[in-house]
Amino acid sequence: ETGVTQTPRHLVMGMTNKKSLKCEQHLGHNAMYWYKQSAKKPLELMFVYSLEERVENNSVPSRFSPECPNSSHLFLHLHTLQPEDSALYLCASSQERQGVNNNSPLHFGNGTRLTVT
Amino acid sequence: GQQVMQIPQYQHVQEGEDFTTYCNSSTTLSNIQWYKQRPGGHPVFLIQLVKSGEVKKQKRLTFQFGEAKKNSSLHITATQTTDVGTYFCAVNLQGAQKLVFGQGTRLTINP
Repeated sequence: ETGVTQTPRHLVMGMTNKKSLKCEQHLGHNAMYWYKQSAKKPLELMFVYSLEERVENNSVPSRFSPECPNSSHLFLHLHTLQPEDSALYLCASSQERQGVNNNSPLHFGNGTRLTVT
Repeated sequence: GQQVMQIPQYQHVQEGEDFTTYCNSSTTLSNIQWYKQRPGGHPVFLIQLVKSGEVKKQKRLTFQFGEAKKNSSLHITATQTTDVGTYFCAVNLQGAQKLVFGQGTRLTINP
């Protein structure tokens, strides 16, 4: 059982909808991440939060808006998405932020399978 | 840009055969992690390699880090149906502060 919980597991939304993905980690970790997994592409890092502060925005379009109210919760707010945004969105956490001298393993949630129609 | 190449993209074997996936980088790596993602599942951390030439074993899985710290391999001896899934390497490039994932090798097994 993963210590990282994501909801919902599946989401279908139209291009004009607004929805949010939720992630909660029960591991006491200090860093949380959003990744996008599309078919035939490597896992793409979207956002990194360390101690609730956003430390990386990997050139993600503004239609994706992250929020980290505390070290255990992470949200991804979605609005006016495009069909090409359909993918598996994975939340992950690690004890400390990935760095040159520290490489805490990533613990992934089960993901939200998003379909944009 | 800097990236990591993982080969092969797909591998189909008969149960009992061995399997190897390779991860290669053009730049020196600080370390490398390996993950496994079962069909319909999420990536699960397997191991991390840090030292040049390091070899680690987990039951039938053998992980190696190259002497130059530019490549790594994961070898599975005598595959079982439970080994089915996609194996990813993830690297921390020197000077960077994020993991970069390889494209993954998808392993399927004929029982």
